Amino acid sequence: GENVEQHPSTLSVQEGDSAVIKCTYSDSASNYFPWYKQELGKRPQLIIDIRSNVGEKKDQRIAVTLNKTAKHFSLHITETQPEDSAVYFCAASIGSSGSARQLTFGSGTQLTVLP
Amino acid sequence: DAGVTQSPTHLIKTRGQHVTLRCSPISGHKSVSWYQQVLGQGPQFIFQYYEKEERGRGNFPDRFSARQFPNYSSELNVNALLLGDSALYLCASSLPQDRAGSPLHFGNGTRLTVT
Repeated sequence: GENVEQHPSTLSVQEGDSAVIKCTYSDSASNYFPWYKQELGKRPQLIIDIRSNVGEKKDQRIAVTLNKTAKHFSLHITETQPEDSAVYFCAASIGSSGSARQLTFGSGTQLTVLP
Repeated sequence: DAGVTQSPTHLIKTRGQHVTLRCSPISGHKSVSWYQQVLGQGPQFIFQYYEKEERGRGNFPDRFSARQFPNYSSELNVNALLLGDSALYLCASSLPQDRAGSPLHFGNGTRLTVT
């Protein structure tokens, strides 16, 4: 089955700096890659996603890049703010007919933005 | 609009007991998935249901079962509880995968503690 590895497990940055989180996946058939933000005691919230037919996607301060050949994708957060502090999870899934979607998550990155 | 709702929010059970967790998807969403999130780890896929049929099953023992009702709500049942079943159980709903932009939206979860 699919295996997703995520690095680093913890990341501390100064407010205003950029943060980068990287993930690799094992199954070349994976075609959907979402990123979730989870604050302590709360549900995972989708922040951005990318499909395999796109190499990069940006939404304000957040961007995701995908390298299908190398089977890795990254989350980039620019101009970080204290409220960006949370655990971030990457995930991958294989799309197929019949509305079956199973997300395989990475182990998470605890991002701390220092004021 | 209401998001994914789960009940109960917290539950304490004893080893060997049975538990039923409930989930109501976002209105219009016909797919419901269940994930287990152990503290400090990413969510792990348990089941996906679409149109009341099981469309995917993760690597969980037969003690775990689920079903989806005609109104698209869902139940997750766990029999013969073990201490290792203690976790946050997340329900997620989505539109059919073949619809563009159909990410998973998570509920706030049910925190299960097995003593």
